[in-house]
Amino acid sequence: AQSVSQHNHHVILSEAASLELGCNYSYGGTVNLFWYVQYPGQHLQLLLKYFSGDPLVKGIKGFEAEFIKSKFSFNLRKPSVQWSDTAEYFCAVNPDSNYQLIWGAGTKLIIKP
Amino acid sequence: GAVVSQHPSRVICKSGTSVKIECRSLDFQATTMFWYRQFPKQSLMLMATSNEGSKATYEQGVEKDKFLINHASLTLSTLTVTSAHPEDSSFYICSAKRLGPDTQYFGPGTRLTVL
Repeated sequence: AQSVSQHNHHVILSEAASLELGCNYSYGGTVNLFWYVQYPGQHLQLLLKYFSGDPLVKGIKGFEAEFIKSKFSFNLRKPSVQWSDTAEYFCAVNPDSNYQLIWGAGTKLIIKP
Repeated sequence: GAVVSQHPSRVICKSGTSVKIECRSLDFQATTMFWYRQFPKQSLMLMATSNEGSKATYEQGVEKDKFLINHASLTLSTLTVTSAHPEDSSFYICSAKRLGPDTQYFGPGTRLTVL
Protein backbone atom coordinates (compact mmCIF):
# COMPACT_ATOMS: atom_id res chain seq x y z
CA ALA A 1 0.00 0.00 0.00
CA GLN A 2 1.10 3.55 -0.64
CA SER A 3 2.36 5.35 2.42
CA VAL A 4 4.21 8.44 3.54
CA SER A 5 6.49 8.40 6.53
CA GLN A 6 7.80 11.36 8.44
CA HIS A 7 10.66 10.29 10.59
CA ASN A 8 10.29 12.65 13.50
CA HIS A 9 7.05 13.26 15.33
CA HIS A 10 8.50 16.01 17.51
CA VAL A 11 11.46 18.27 16.87
CA ILE A 12 12.69 20.95 19.23
CA LEU A 13 15.26 23.46 18.03
CA SER A 14 16.67 26.77 19.13
CA GLU A 15 16.28 29.86 17.00
CA ALA A 16 18.83 30.13 14.18
CA ALA A 17 19.38 26.38 14.10
CA SER A 18 19.14 24.60 10.78
CA LEU A 19 16.15 22.37 10.11
CA GLU A 20 15.65 19.24 8.09
CA LEU A 21 12.45 17.24 8.31
CA GLY A 22 12.44 13.88 6.61
CA CYS A 23 9.73 12.55 4.35
CA ASN A 24 9.80 9.25 2.49
CA TYR A 25 7.07 7.73 0.40
CA SER A 26 6.39 4.32 -1.03
CA TYR A 27 5.16 4.54 -4.60
CA GLY A 28 7.07 3.60 -7.70
CA GLY A 29 5.37 5.82 -10.24
CA THR A 30 5.19 9.54 -10.91
CA VAL A 31 4.21 11.57 -7.89
CA ASN A 32 3.40 15.12 -6.94
CA LEU A 33 4.81 16.11 -3.57
CA PHE A 34 3.70 18.66 -1.02
CA TRP A 35 4.61 20.10 2.31
CA TYR A 36 1.82 21.71 4.28
CA VAL A 37 2.14 23.66 7.51
CA GLN A 38 -0.39 24.20 10.27
CA TYR A 39 0.45 27.04 12.65
CA PRO A 40 -1.15 26.93 16.10
CA GLY A 41 -4.83 27.74 15.82
CA GLN A 42 -4.71 28.10 12.05
CA HIS A 43 -5.65 25.94 9.12
CA LEU A 44 -3.41 24.00 6.81
CA GLN A 45 -1.43 26.07 4.34
CA LEU A 46 0.70 25.01 1.43
CA LEU A 47 4.38 25.51 2.11
CA LEU A 48 5.74 24.23 -1.19
CA LYS A 49 5.09 21.64 -3.85
CA TYR A 50 6.87 19.66 -6.52
CA PHE A 51 5.22 18.57 -9.73
CA SER A 52 8.11 18.38 -12.16
CA GLY A 53 11.30 20.15 -13.18
CA ASP A 54 14.02 21.30 -10.80
CA PRO A 55 13.99 18.84 -7.89
CA LEU A 56 14.98 21.59 -5.50
CA VAL A 57 11.89 23.64 -4.83
CA LYS A 58 11.62 26.80 -2.83
CA GLY A 59 8.58 27.68 -0.82
CA ILE A 60 7.36 30.45 1.38
CA LYS A 61 9.16 31.77 4.47
CA GLY A 62 12.58 30.51 3.40
CA PHE A 63 11.70 26.83 3.25
CA GLU A 64 12.93 24.53 0.53
CA ALA A 65 12.65 20.85 -0.23
CA GLU A 66 14.59 18.48 -2.42
CA PHE A 67 13.01 15.63 -4.32
CA ILE A 68 15.40 12.70 -4.59
CA LYS A 69 13.68 10.16 -6.76
CA SER A 70 16.17 7.36 -6.10
CA LYS A 71 15.58 7.69 -2.38
CA PHE A 72 11.81 8.28 -2.61
CA SER A 73 12.40 11.29 -0.40
CA PHE A 74 11.22 14.89 -0.22
CA ASN A 75 12.93 16.39 2.80
CA LEU A 76 12.08 19.87 4.01
CA ARG A 77 14.87 22.25 4.96
CA LYS A 78 15.40 25.71 6.33
CA PRO A 79 18.88 27.05 7.07
CA SER A 80 17.91 29.19 10.05
CA VAL A 81 14.64 28.74 11.88
CA GLN A 82 12.68 31.38 13.73
CA TRP A 83 10.36 31.19 16.70
CA SER A 84 7.46 31.83 14.32
CA ASP A 85 8.20 28.55 12.53
CA THR A 86 6.69 26.69 15.47
CA ALA A 87 3.98 24.62 13.82
CA GLU A 88 3.06 21.17 12.64
CA TYR A 89 4.43 20.15 9.26
CA PHE A 90 2.81 17.57 7.03
CA CYS A 91 4.31 15.87 4.02
CA ALA A 92 1.80 14.66 1.44
CA VAL A 93 2.10 12.71 -1.78
CA ASN A 94 -0.28 12.64 -4.70
CA PRO A 95 0.26 9.64 -6.97
CA ASP A 96 -0.11 10.82 -10.50
CA SER A 97 -3.12 8.73 -11.32
CA ASN A 98 -5.00 9.68 -8.22
CA TYR A 99 -5.88 13.13 -7.01
CA GLN A 100 -6.11 12.08 -3.40
CA LEU A 101 -3.32 13.01 -1.06
CA ILE A 102 -1.55 10.45 1.05
CA TRP A 103 -0.46 12.10 4.26
CA GLY A 104 2.41 11.65 6.61
CA ALA A 105 1.67 11.65 10.31
CA GLY A 106 3.06 15.14 10.75
CA THR A 107 6.00 16.59 12.65
CA LYS A 108 5.47 19.02 15.48
CA LEU A 109 8.25 21.59 15.40
CA ILE A 110 8.90 23.72 18.45
CA ILE A 111 11.38 26.57 18.23
CA LYS A 112 12.75 27.82 21.51
CA PRO A 113 13.30 31.58 21.55
CA GLY B 1 -6.22 33.61 -4.50
CA ALA B 2 -7.35 30.05 -3.75
CA VAL B 3 -9.25 30.70 -0.56
CA VAL B 4 -11.50 28.09 0.98
CA SER B 5 -13.98 28.91 3.71
CA GLN B 6 -15.94 26.69 6.05
CA HIS B 7 -19.06 27.44 8.00
CA PRO B 8 -19.64 27.18 10.85
CA SER B 9 -16.25 27.26 12.53
CA ARG B 10 -17.67 25.70 15.67
CA VAL B 11 -20.90 23.89 16.35
CA ILE B 12 -22.29 22.21 19.42
CA CYS B 13 -25.29 19.96 19.04
CA LYS B 14 -27.28 17.41 20.97
CA SER B 15 -26.93 13.73 20.33
CA GLY B 16 -29.33 12.53 17.64
CA THR B 17 -29.50 15.78 15.73
CA SER B 18 -28.01 16.49 12.30
CA VAL B 19 -25.39 19.10 11.53
CA LYS B 20 -24.51 20.59 8.17
CA ILE B 21 -21.07 21.98 7.42
CA GLU B 22 -20.44 24.09 4.34
CA CYS B 23 -17.23 24.34 2.37
CA ARG B 24 -16.84 27.07 -0.21
CA SER B 25 -14.11 27.93 -2.67
CA LEU B 26 -14.23 31.71 -2.75
CA ASP B 27 -12.18 32.62 -5.78
CA PHE B 28 -11.84 29.53 -7.91
CA GLN B 29 -13.89 26.69 -9.28
CA ALA B 30 -13.38 23.55 -7.29
CA THR B 31 -14.04 20.53 -9.44
CA THR B 32 -13.01 18.28 -6.58
CA MET B 33 -13.49 18.72 -2.88
CA PHE B 34 -12.23 16.53 -0.09
CA TRP B 35 -13.51 16.06 3.44
CA TYR B 36 -11.13 15.15 6.21
CA ARG B 37 -11.41 14.43 9.87
CA GLN B 38 -8.60 15.29 12.22
CA PHE B 39 -8.33 13.54 15.55
CA PRO B 40 -6.31 15.07 18.37
CA LYS B 41 -2.59 14.57 17.90
CA GLN B 42 -3.15 12.62 14.70
CA SER B 43 -2.86 13.31 11.03
CA LEU B 44 -5.72 14.02 8.70
CA MET B 45 -8.00 11.17 7.82
CA LEU B 46 -9.62 11.40 4.41
CA MET B 47 -13.32 10.70 4.67
CA ALA B 48 -14.52 11.21 1.13
CA THR B 49 -13.79 12.77 -2.23
CA SER B 50 -16.48 14.58 -4.13
CA ASN B 51 -16.53 15.73 -7.70
CA GLU B 52 -18.98 18.40 -8.72
CA GLY B 53 -22.21 16.87 -9.92
CA SER B 54 -21.26 13.32 -8.95
CA LYS B 55 -21.76 11.12 -5.94
CA ALA B 56 -19.02 11.26 -3.38
CA THR B 57 -16.49 8.47 -3.08
CA TYR B 58 -16.14 7.38 0.53
CA GLU B 59 -13.06 5.89 2.12
CA GLN B 60 -13.25 2.47 3.68
CA GLY B 61 -14.87 2.57 7.08
CA VAL B 62 -16.71 5.86 6.52
CA GLU B 63 -20.48 5.45 6.63
CA LYS B 64 -21.97 7.24 3.65
CA ASP B 65 -25.44 7.27 5.18
CA LYS B 66 -24.10 9.00 8.25
CA PHE B 67 -21.85 11.50 6.53
CA LEU B 68 -23.84 12.88 3.63
CA ILE B 69 -21.84 14.84 1.12
CA ASN B 70 -23.27 17.06 -1.56
CA HIS B 71 -21.20 18.90 -4.16
CA ALA B 72 -23.88 20.60 -6.16
CA SER B 73 -21.85 23.47 -7.55
CA LEU B 74 -18.27 24.30 -8.42
CA THR B 75 -17.92 26.44 -5.32
CA LEU B 76 -19.88 24.62 -2.65
CA SER B 77 -19.78 21.26 -0.95
CA THR B 78 -21.67 20.31 2.17
CA LEU B 79 -21.10 17.61 4.75
CA THR B 80 -24.09 16.64 6.85
CA VAL B 81 -23.46 14.56 9.94
CA THR B 82 -26.75 12.76 10.49
CA SER B 83 -27.93 11.56 13.89
CA ALA B 84 -24.75 12.78 15.47
CA HIS B 85 -23.30 10.99 18.48
CA PRO B 86 -20.56 12.04 20.88
CA GLU B 87 -18.03 9.88 19.05
CA ASP B 88 -18.60 12.07 15.99
CA SER B 89 -17.10 14.99 17.86
CA SER B 90 -14.05 15.99 15.92
CA PHE B 91 -12.42 18.60 13.72
CA TYR B 92 -13.72 18.40 10.17
CA ILE B 93 -11.67 19.98 7.40
CA CYS B 94 -12.46 20.40 3.74
CA SER B 95 -10.12 21.07 0.88
CA ALA B 96 -10.72 22.01 -2.70
CA LYS B 97 -8.81 21.78 -5.93
CA ARG B 98 -9.22 22.85 -9.50
CA LEU B 99 -9.41 20.50 -12.47
CA GLY B 100 -6.27 18.50 -13.12
CA PRO B 101 -3.16 18.00 -10.99
CA ASP B 102 -3.29 20.90 -8.60
CA THR B 103 -2.74 21.83 -5.03
CA GLN B 104 -5.43 21.17 -2.49
CA TYR B 105 -6.41 24.34 -0.66
CA PHE B 106 -7.72 23.85 2.81
CA GLY B 107 -10.53 25.41 4.74
CA PRO B 108 -10.06 26.50 8.34
CA GLY B 109 -11.98 23.54 9.72
CA THR B 110 -15.12 23.07 11.78
CA ARG B 111 -15.01 21.93 15.38
CA LEU B 112 -18.02 19.71 16.04
CA THR B 113 -18.96 18.86 19.60
CA VAL B 114 -21.83 16.47 20.16
CA LEU B 115 -23.23 16.46 23.66
